[in-house]
Amino acid sequence: DIQMTQSPPSLSTSVGDRVTITCRASQSIRTYLNWYQQKPGKAPDLLIYGASNLQSGVPSRFSGSGSGTDFTLTISSLQPEDSATYYCQQSSSKPLTFGGGTKVEIK
Amino acid sequence: EVQLVESGGDLIQPGRSLRLSCTASGFTFGDYALNWFRQAPGKGLEWVGVIRGKAYGGATEYAASVKGRFTISRDDSKSIAYLQMNSLKTEDTAVYYCARRNVWNYFYYYMDIWGKGTTVTVSS
Repeated sequence: DIQMTQSPPSLSTSVGDRVTITCRASQSIRTYLNWYQQKPGKAPDLLIYGASNLQSGVPSRFSGSGSGTDFTLTISSLQPEDSATYYCQQSSSKPLTFGGGTKVEIK
Repeated sequence: EVQLVESGGDLIQPGRSLRLSCTASGFTFGDYALNWFRQAPGKGLEWVGVIRGKAYGGATEYAASVKGRFTISRDDSKSIAYLQMNSLKTEDTAVYYCARRNVWNYFYYYMDIWGKGTTVTVSS
């Protein structure tokens, strides 16, 4: 199974700050990497697919990059509504696996 | 509106069986694979399994933790997918989500539509 490791597990930062979340795969997954946002008590929402493609309707302050084993989700200017947990997920092979999540809190 | 709605969650004793449903609307259900995921209380997301669309004969795959106990099926005429869960264990306690699998550029798979989830609690 491909292990996905996210860092940091949590962060607390201010509105308007730039936020970077990293995700590392235990083996190369090329760009078969998706990012989801989950708010408490809600289902996940797709943000990014194929490592860098922004899902329709997602604000342009979100962006993704990376390939192989190292990936990044960036929020260019954090907004209050971005308080959530973010998960990366690989779709290179079964079983589909997720990172442990990064909880983003607003100071 | 494109949506998925799960139902069937319940409090159930270990060893018993339960069937969850995932009802789709707003899109051609048979054209898409459907995944099930779960999230234990306070934990991350875990893939449970997938059932492919009619073009792939409705083939299924499962996570090792549920293989042999859980079965995914679908009724395209009703736009419903099912998750049959047998021999339930306390560690199966979770919110269960169904999600539509979409594809980009032939090989890039992602879950673009999720249901709100249904809660399964396995406890004596």
